[in-house]
Amino acid sequence: AQRVTQPEKLLSVFKGAPVELKCNYSYSGSPELFWYVQYSRQRLQLLLRHISRESIKGFTADLNKGETSFHLKKPFAQEEDSAMYYCALSGVSGGYNKLIFGAGTRLAVHP
Amino acid sequence: DADVTQTPRNRITKTGKRIMLECSQTKGHDRMYWYRQDPGLGLRLIYYSFDVKDINKGEISDGYSVSRQAQAKFSLSLESAIPNQTALYFCATSDSATAGNTIYFGEGSWLTVV
Repeated sequence: AQRVTQPEKLLSVFKGAPVELKCNYSYSGSPELFWYVQYSRQRLQLLLRHISRESIKGFTADLNKGETSFHLKKPFAQEEDSAMYYCALSGVSGGYNKLIFGAGTRLAVHP
Repeated sequence: DADVTQTPRNRITKTGKRIMLECSQTKGHDRMYWYRQDPGLGLRLIYYSFDVKDINKGEISDGYSVSRQAQAKFSLSLESAIPNQTALYFCATSDSATAGNTIYFGEGSWLTVV
């Protein structure tokens, strides 16, 4: 079964501290992984995709197929990073390609 | 990004009432989705449509129905609303012609059932 697990509901750090938001997935094929971010009172928006291998707003995420993980990292957190972060997996289910979300992790960055 | 528009943005309705949430998009995408967001549960897929003649149930379709009136419009209906359908609802779109499965979300519709 396809599943995305974000084990932390809340991650609280101080400004300037490193951040790692954990994401583990279950999928039998080759998945596409994404991180979406939702700032307060705003819509969800794509943060980054594993196939792009890019860094957005200082965040990076590496797909580790051995550990089935796609953790989101940033070396120095900023207050404006405070938001809900959702890990998502795109895979084929029932003949269709669908996006499945984790439960989300709220990142709170304190001054 | 106002390319995916949801109406209404906020609605309070009574138990047993019928309510419709509408979604329209100007992105020209063929795929449209309705998600529900609940605290601690993340986003769960209610229904999705890969083209005008294609409607599919998601994880939590019970109590909901949808209509894809045109490629640009996808509405979600609660025939008889109940309090546990109180949630934030998101419409989303994606383009099958684009590599990857990036989904673009609307701003959300807050629904409260009392």
